[in-house]
Amino acid sequence: DTAVSQTPKYLVTQMGNDKSIKCEQNLGHDTMYWYKQDSKKFLKIMFSYNNKELIINETVPNRFSPKSPDKAHLNLHINSLELGDSAVYFCASSAGNVDTQYFGPGTRLTVL
Amino acid sequence: GDSVTQMEGPVTLSEEAFLTINCTYTATGYPSLFWYVQYPGEGLQLLLKATKADDKGSNKGFEATYRKETTSFHLEKGSVQVSDSAVYFCALSRSNAGNMLTFGGGTRLMVKP
Repeated sequence: DTAVSQTPKYLVTQMGNDKSIKCEQNLGHDTMYWYKQDSKKFLKIMFSYNNKELIINETVPNRFSPKSPDKAHLNLHINSLELGDSAVYFCASSAGNVDTQYFGPGTRLTVL
Repeated sequence: GDSVTQMEGPVTLSEEAFLTINCTYTATGYPSLFWYVQYPGEGLQLLLKATKADDKGSNKGFEATYRKETTSFHLEKGSVQVSDSAVYFCALSRSNAGNMLTFGGGTRLMVKP
């Protein structure tokens, strides 16, 4: 069984579009995260979220917004896509704010 | 702010060679330290971790010791295999910062038969 899953695996879209990436975890974790990996493999945190608190990396444009319908899901919405948004986006989850994070397989976003 | 610095790659080794990938960090307080591995085309997998000074994390023959005095967490393996070829990321997290991971730039390891 997949612990942390993401859909879609690949997403190709045009500049200016709005898109969403879905993330689900079946580990019973209460904290979820989104990370961005650029073309040079550099990984950067975007959001940390549990049912009490959303922490946003200050460098993330407000075109990006996390939406959590329930504890098992944290979706990433991106408005007005730009070329620089092309990257691999990873979702992760942990059992609390001190525990190991488990990563999903990633979503490769390409903006044309 | 927090930061992690690790040696740039690629690191190319022959099978059964000794591996060291250096990692140093800057952070306030007492972070937890991690090594994650990313195999080609896959997501990140936790390799090992250490949560306090002098702790040693180990897994699959890899080891790293949390050295607070030198703010380091170097990854070592005594005998690498071709299957160890991957990108290795050193990272830290702090519980008072939402447990968000701060990653180093990654080190690509290539092991030749």
